[in-house]
Amino acid sequence: GMPVEQNPPALSLYEGADSGLRCNFSTTMKSVQWFQQNHRGRLITLFYLAQGTKENGRLKSTFNSKERYSTLHIKDAQLEDSGTYFCAAYQGGRALIFGTGTTVSVSP
Amino acid sequence: EAAVTQSPRSKVAVTGGKVTLSCHQTNNHDYMYWYRQDTGHGLRLIHYSYVADSTEKGDIPDGYKASRPSQENFSLILELASLSQTAVYFCASSGTFSNERLFFGHGTKLSVL
Repeated sequence: GMPVEQNPPALSLYEGADSGLRCNFSTTMKSVQWFQQNHRGRLITLFYLAQGTKENGRLKSTFNSKERYSTLHIKDAQLEDSGTYFCAAYQGGRALIFGTGTTVSVSP
Repeated sequence: EAAVTQSPRSKVAVTGGKVTLSCHQTNNHDYMYWYRQDTGHGLRLIHYSYVADSTEKGDIPDGYKASRPSQENFSLILELASLSQTAVYFCASSGTFSNERLFFGHGTKLSVL
């Protein structure tokens, strides 16, 4: 299978809702990064994790290398959270391996 | 905030023509990358470099060349552009180790007609 599987492919939220995105890895990864691609196509780095959990405002991300997954949690969703979210993992050797993305749509 | 600048921001090319995409970073980073993004898909690695005057193949290098004349500059070259190379191209840089945080440019939208 794919080395990085990202779910769900799409997510629709109302403002104020909480939800989560997940990436599963086919093998042990050394680190993971999460990106948001906004409506202009710009890629914004949200988190870089080598282990554990990080929080930034309403966003929280967890990376469990042993269990081979990472999550991104959105709390109190806002309209500006709309976009496509990508996880990307580093296995070693070459560069990051990207997931296929989750398109998040937040509506009033 | 680290800076990665791509040029041009968009380009229309003819099939069989030569296209050069340029990337410049002011981060003093060793690693630079070229990724391709197709509509509705994630990013795929084309070429990367970890030192000037040296480039490495990524996952989809066919039809592309890369050049790293200095630490700051990294170019992607399409010698004979094809319709299938229509995509958005992102340049990125990272620190000494390739698994460090990536900094992306704005992207270049390339349309091959």
